[in-house]
Amino acid sequence: ILNVEQSPQSLHVQEGDSTNFTCSFPSSNFYALHWYRWETAKSPEALFVMTLNGDEKKKGRISATLNTKEGYSYLYIKGSQPEDSATYLCASHNYGQNFVFGPGTRLSVLP
Amino acid sequence: SQTIHQWPATLVQPVGSPLSLECTVEGTSNPNLYWYRQAAGRGLQLLFYSVGIGQISSEVPQNLSASRPQDRQFILSSKKLLLSDSGFYLCACLRDALEGYEQYFGPGTRLTVT
Repeated sequence: ILNVEQSPQSLHVQEGDSTNFTCSFPSSNFYALHWYRWETAKSPEALFVMTLNGDEKKKGRISATLNTKEGYSYLYIKGSQPEDSATYLCASHNYGQNFVFGPGTRLSVLP
Repeated sequence: SQTIHQWPATLVQPVGSPLSLECTVEGTSNPNLYWYRQAAGRGLQLLFYSVGIGQISSEVPQNLSASRPQDRQFILSSKKLLLSDSGFYLCACLRDALEGYEQYFGPGTRLTVT
């Protein structure tokens, strides 16, 4: 079973600050790395799917990078807003295996 | 596009009672279906997945079971609930994404075992 780790476990930032989190995953038989945003009392929503080493994806103030050789991905949020408060999950999808989710990073943006 | 329905939305059950959570999917046929659980303070744990009617694979041995009686119906059950079964249960299907596939989640069921 793959082991997907995320850090930090939780994070408190002030409105307007930029922040980033890390996801590490086993790089063997890698197929795709996924980022999800999970708000309380809702279901996780897909943010990014990344497959190629060096990939960089952007959606508004949120961006992500991927390094498949060393097995890590960063998620960046620029100018955090209170509505960015959520748990951010990454999931590794390797060939022949199901998605394996990390424990998540819980972000709280204070106004 | 797919839509996933889960019910009930919330459930409070005593220890030792049975459980049945239902998930139905619209907008697709022969989907891969998944049951996940998030226990308090933890990430998403895959419990079961199914690639077709009557085909169930268990990822974690426990007192839960799953069934897929119809193509777009996935049921999570237990004969006797434990306190440790409390958590947030999510049903998901695999759907096409711009690159590869992604997990698409239902609204979830919050289960509290007392």
